[in-house]
Amino acid sequence: GAGVSQSPSNKVTEKGKDVELRCDPISGHTALYWYRQSLGQGLEFLIYFQGNSAPDKSGLPSDRFSAERTGGSVSTLTIQRTQQEDSAVYLCASSLAPGEQYFGPGTRLTVT
Amino acid sequence: AQSVAQPEDQVNVAEGNPLTVKCTYSVSGNPYLFWYVQYPNRGLQFLLKYITGDNLVKGSYGFEAEFNKSQTSFHLKKPSALVSDSALYFCAVRDENTGNQFYFGTGTSLTVIP
Repeated sequence: GAGVSQSPSNKVTEKGKDVELRCDPISGHTALYWYRQSLGQGLEFLIYFQGNSAPDKSGLPSDRFSAERTGGSVSTLTIQRTQQEDSAVYLCASSLAPGEQYFGPGTRLTVT
Repeated sequence: AQSVAQPEDQVNVAEGNPLTVKCTYSVSGNPYLFWYVQYPNRGLQFLLKYITGDNLVKGSYGFEAEFNKSQTSFHLKKPSALVSDSALYFCAVRDENTGNQFYFGTGTSLTVIP
């Protein structure tokens, strides 16, 4: 079966533009997570979805960030009015409790 | 509060020597513990996990880790390091009391010297 996929793999955008990052989790995985990783650094939790429950948005750094998960499957992370400090690799992962997370390859976002 | 600590940002070891990457955790309930590896310009790959049962767990690429409840540790080990083991290693924990939230350490960069 396919793993977690993310698109685009790379995104270069101008400061102030909006971007959308997509994540396709492993089929049947009920939990989906978004993280941000700056160059060579650790993982910064952003948001996670668990089934039909309200998402845990506690990690979103500002109200410019939002995410949704449609039909319990595909998720989109949206960053509005991008800033240079938003440049990072955005990682998506999915899991089936209580097991491990499976990570996608990430989207490298560069804001110029 | 739930947390994970990886006290060493960098670990260097000679090829063929045993390696240890340290991890300690803090949770309120029973922990579910995980190790991930990240090679340069790649996503995170799962190495091994402890959910329940035997305290010594074996994983991919010859790695193993020992769950020590009294010391709240889950150190990653390998008997003989390879140059190809050079990568960034992350420890993570889930708390049975807080659903599916994962807590990650800050990562340890392992360099195996030929």
